[in-house]
Amino acid sequence: GNSVTQMEGPVTLSEEAFLTINCTYTATGYPSLFWYVQYPGEGLQLLLKATKADDKGSNKGFEATYRKETTSFHLEKGSVQVSDSAVYFCALRSTGGFKTIFGAGTRLFVKA
Amino acid sequence: GAGVSQSPSNKVTEKGKDVELRCDPISGHTALYWYRQSLGQGLEFLIYFQGNSAPDKSGLPSDRFSAERTGGSVSTLTIQRTQQEDSAVYLCASSLARAEELFFGEGSRLTVL
Repeated sequence: GNSVTQMEGPVTLSEEAFLTINCTYTATGYPSLFWYVQYPGEGLQLLLKATKADDKGSNKGFEATYRKETTSFHLEKGSVQVSDSAVYFCALRSTGGFKTIFGAGTRLFVKA
Repeated sequence: GAGVSQSPSNKVTEKGKDVELRCDPISGHTALYWYRQSLGQGLEFLIYFQGNSAPDKSGLPSDRFSAERTGGSVSTLTIQRTQQEDSAVYLCASSLARAEELFFGEGSRLTVL
């Protein structure tokens, strides 16, 4: 079945450091891929998405590229801020499907 | 309301009691989802509604779990004879029909003593 694996946290960085959170997936066909973020005390919200191979999703300085050959969708940001401290979830949805499958989440702490 | 609303935000109950968790989706969203988030685990899919019908109930962990949706809007997740392993955060999300972006509520944290 379809699944998502992402790096375990927590990840602790200093402000302005480079961020990478790894995500790989298992799925048949060409699923859509997502990153959701959960800030403290809030519900999950969509951060970015990509719907086909080689697409790059981007938002708020975060980027992720859909790599079919490596079945990956790693999240990156060049310079993190304290306000980026949150839990990040990688997710996929099969084409035409209704079920979004989530990874376990990666908690990010950014220190001033 | 502007977003997905869930109640109660926190519920502490004794083992063996029944609990009801409520979700009020964004107005106009026909799709509604329930997920469970246990400590250290990802989001576990429970059930999906399109309108009032639930095409897929396969994610419900046992027959103690049930969910309904009335009027194509509010949904209730009921857990009967709660067990300690039911302790988790129960998340509700809604979306426009067939849209991929999910809008989540803040969740209902259930603690079974």
